[in-house]
Amino acid sequence: GAVVSQHPSRVICKSGTSVKIECRSLDFQATTMFWYRQFPKQSLMLMATSNEGSKATYEQGVEKDKFLINHASLTLSTLTVTSAHPEDSSFYICSASVESGLAYNEQFFGPGTRLTVL
Amino acid sequence: QKEVEQNSGPLSVPEGAIASLNCTYSDRGSQSFFWYRQYSGKSPELIMFIYSNGDKEDGRFTAQLNKASQYVSLLIRDSQPSDSATYLCAVAINKFYFGSGTKLNVKP
Repeated sequence: GAVVSQHPSRVICKSGTSVKIECRSLDFQATTMFWYRQFPKQSLMLMATSNEGSKATYEQGVEKDKFLINHASLTLSTLTVTSAHPEDSSFYICSASVESGLAYNEQFFGPGTRLTVL
Repeated sequence: QKEVEQNSGPLSVPEGAIASLNCTYSDRGSQSFFWYRQYSGKSPELIMFIYSNGDKEDGRFTAQLNKASQYVSLLIRDSQPSDSATYLCAVAINKFYFGSGTKLNVKP
C-alpha cells in the first residue's frame, strides 16, 4: 500500500516553455502533498506544501508564480513550472502524507521527475 | 546553521560488517526522526522512523535516538552491496527537514 506515482518520469523541454508534473496517491487519500526539488549531490529541498482545496504554502525563496501548484483532489496534485529556464533543471519529487493523529505523519515519496531545460 | 547535519561520506565498509550512520539536529522541538535510503537517480524510500529515545530495531536496521544529545543514528548489520546508497536523515518539526545524506559503499 501507500503508492505514489508521478508523471512524467522524465521531461526535456525548451527554455521558455511550461511543464506540468502530476503526483497521484494511488491507494490512499492524501491529507497533504509536498513538492521537493533535488539538485545533483544535494539534499531534498522542500518547495511547497499543499492541502486539497486550499492554496499551497511556499517555502521562502520559492516563486509561487513560477511554480504553480494545484491540489484538486485528495489523490492528485500538480506542479507546473512556468517559463522554464536551464537553472530549473532538477529532480522534482512529490510526497504524500496522511494525518495519522500520532507524533509523526509518514511521507510516501513518488518516483520523481527529471526535468531538463535546454 | 543547518537544521540537520550529516557527514557526506563516502563511508566504506566491507560486506558483512556493521555500517554506522550518524545525524545531528539543531531544533530541540523535533518530534520525529526518519531514515531514508536513496539510490542514485531514484526517490527516497523509508527505512525506519523513531520518535522515542532509545533503540528501535527492524531486521538488519537499528535506529538510535538520543534527544538530550540531539543525534540520531542508523546501524546496518551484515551490510550487503545492495545497501550501497545515500542515506538521508529527516527530522520532523512542523515540516520535514532533510540532511544532505551520507553515501555508503559496501564492498564485496
